[in-house]
Amino acid sequence: EAQVTQNPRYLITVTGKKLTVTCSQNMNHEYMSWYRQDPGLGLRQIYYSMNVEVTDKGDVPEGYKVSRKEKRNFPLILESPSPNQTSLYFCASSRYGLNTEAFFGQGTRLTVV
Amino acid sequence: AQTVTQSQPEMSVQEAETVTLSCTYDTSESDYYLFWYKQPPSRQMILVIRQEAYKQQNATENRFSVNFQKAAKSFSLKISDSQLGDAAMYFCAYRGGTASKLTFGTGTRLQVTL
Repeated sequence: EAQVTQNPRYLITVTGKKLTVTCSQNMNHEYMSWYRQDPGLGLRQIYYSMNVEVTDKGDVPEGYKVSRKEKRNFPLILESPSPNQTSLYFCASSRYGLNTEAFFGQGTRLTVV
Repeated sequence: AQTVTQSQPEMSVQEAETVTLSCTYDTSESDYYLFWYKQPPSRQMILVIRQEAYKQQNATENRFSVNFQKAAKSFSLKISDSQLGDAAMYFCAYRGGTASKLTFGTGTRLQVTL
């Protein structure tokens, strides 16, 4: 079954404690990205990757890091989380192109206290 | 920069009736796609329908159809014969140029009543 798997689905952490949200896809997609969803703001892109070892900033990259060492995995790293990073996070993957369908993970609800 | 605007934060429709969700966008690109995504309470993002800018014919998927007005930069979603399972947050999204990035609107929460 084609899918994007994110873990964990829920996470509560304290300010400053490094955390990683994992994302894995089994569709051999080149393009992967991370979004955060906040009420009244929709989904905004944090980082994206066009292929292995190729990553770039999206619209709201501050406070986040990513890596793409393998094609299937695209983890999101918060090295020193702050309360303003409390949000719903989505990983997405697609083939490269305008008309391709983006497949989304199940979402990670992160709370930073 | 491209922007997507959804001016209706919430909408309500009675079961079996028709509802239209509005979306406008701004772009200077000539080649792009527009999408509607549905997000039910499970949080899963589900593609509902997509429209290519070069196609004049409006896309249709079963009970879902769009009204694409390119000159007005408008892309509304019509849901016919609304069902309880249609209750969700709906996001309009844009993808254009050389990027695979999706630019989303702020969403419209649709309530379906009996």
